[in-house]
Formats: sequence, structure tokens, C-alpha cells
Amino acid sequence: DQQVKQNSPSLSVQEGRISILNCDYTNSMFDYFLWYKKYPAEGPTFLISISSIKDKNEDGRFTVFLNKSAKHLSLHIVPSQPGDSAVYFCAASDGNQFYFGTGTSLTVIP
Amino acid sequence: KAGVTQTPRYLIKTRGQQVTLSCSPISGHRSVSWYQQTPGQGLQFLFEYFSETQRNKGNFPGRFSGRQFSNSRSEMNVSTLELGDSALYLCASSLVASGEYQETQYFGPGTRLLVL
Repeated sequence: DQQVKQNSPSLSVQEGRISILNCDYTNSMFDYFLWYKKYPAEGPTFLISISSIKDKNEDGRFTVFLNKSAKHLSLHIVPSQPGDSAVYFCAASDGNQFYFGTGTSLTVIP
Repeated sequence: KAGVTQTPRYLIKTRGQQVTLSCSPISGHRSVSWYQQTPGQGLQFLFEYFSETQRNKGNFPGRFSGRQFSNSRSEMNVSTLELGDSALYLCASSLVASGEYQETQYFGPGTRLLVL
């Protein structure tokens, strides 16, 4: 049973525009959420996280939004750059274990 | 500070064989988790070791096992390999047990296992 879902396997965006990656979860016990970026032949790299007591967290071009009532998480990348092309995974923790989504492949077109 | 390292990076085995993968966490990190990544399945949690004890285990058969040493290095073993075991195996480390105190996991580059 997939408790963290990324329903869009892929996304294409023009360079300079906004990229929005979405993630839904089912477990209301999740209290910590993360986004990772993964390039081919490399391990996932931590990008940004958010605690369940917040609804927004920013780090440079990356902003994560959390809507607890909708059990929805999103990552905004502004402006998008070609180097952002990678697979993005969202993850959630219940204090005991991390659960990962299946990933969204982002392509930023120059 | 050196990151998480995994050896070997690539491995080819045949069905029925066994394999051992190694992971060295970031210095000072006491938790090591293992994940299996296959196309379309995301990262599936295998198990976590913290202070040499298995803290959590995912939904994988008993052919998958692991251990952690006193220096926090961890090994994962898969016995009687099957074709479906072909995957990228990722190791992640964190300072404390996974998810506690909202501590982040940091990943190694992975070991690509191909079972023929």
C-alpha cells in the first residue's frame, strides 16, 4: 500500500518558468516531509524539508508547501534551470520510518 | 565531511547466488537504512539499523538480511538471488534513528545489482 504518491511520472517546463511537483499522502501520522533530487547513477540528494507544524518552507529557488487538511505536499522551483532536470522524490516520516513516493521526472527545456 | 559510501557500485550475479553489499555512513551517524529502487516502484524500505540493532524492517522476504558493526558500517546480504532482485540498492545514514527529531537521511550513490 503506497502511503506516499506522486501521480505525475513526468513533467516538462520551459527554462525560467515555474516547476510545480506534487505529492499526496494518506497517513495523518506523518509529521515530517522531505524532497530529494536524483540524477542518473547517483543517490538521492536532500533538497528541502518541512515540519507538519508549518505550511511553507523556502530555500532559495525551492519552496515546499504543505496542506495538511488535503494531505498534499508540493515543491515549487522558481525559476527553473536546465540543471534542475532530474527525478524528484517526496518522502514522509511518521517518526519511525521514511516512506517515499515513486518519483517525478522533471525536464527543464532550454 | 565525507558522504555515504557504498561498495561495490556495480555487481553482476546469477540466479541462486548470494551477494553482500557494504555501506559506510557519514562520520558520526549511527543510523543506516537500506532501500531497493526499481523502475516505477520508488524507494522500497528494506530495513534500518541503529546502534548495531535492527530497528525496523520492511516487507521483504527473509532472503534479505543485514547487520551493523560497532563503527556503524553496515552490510546487506541477499541469498538465493532471483531475477526480480535486480535493482539499485541505496543506503542512507542519519545522526539518530530515522524520523526521530525530524532528522534527515543522506543517501549514498547506490549499488546497481544485475541478476542474470
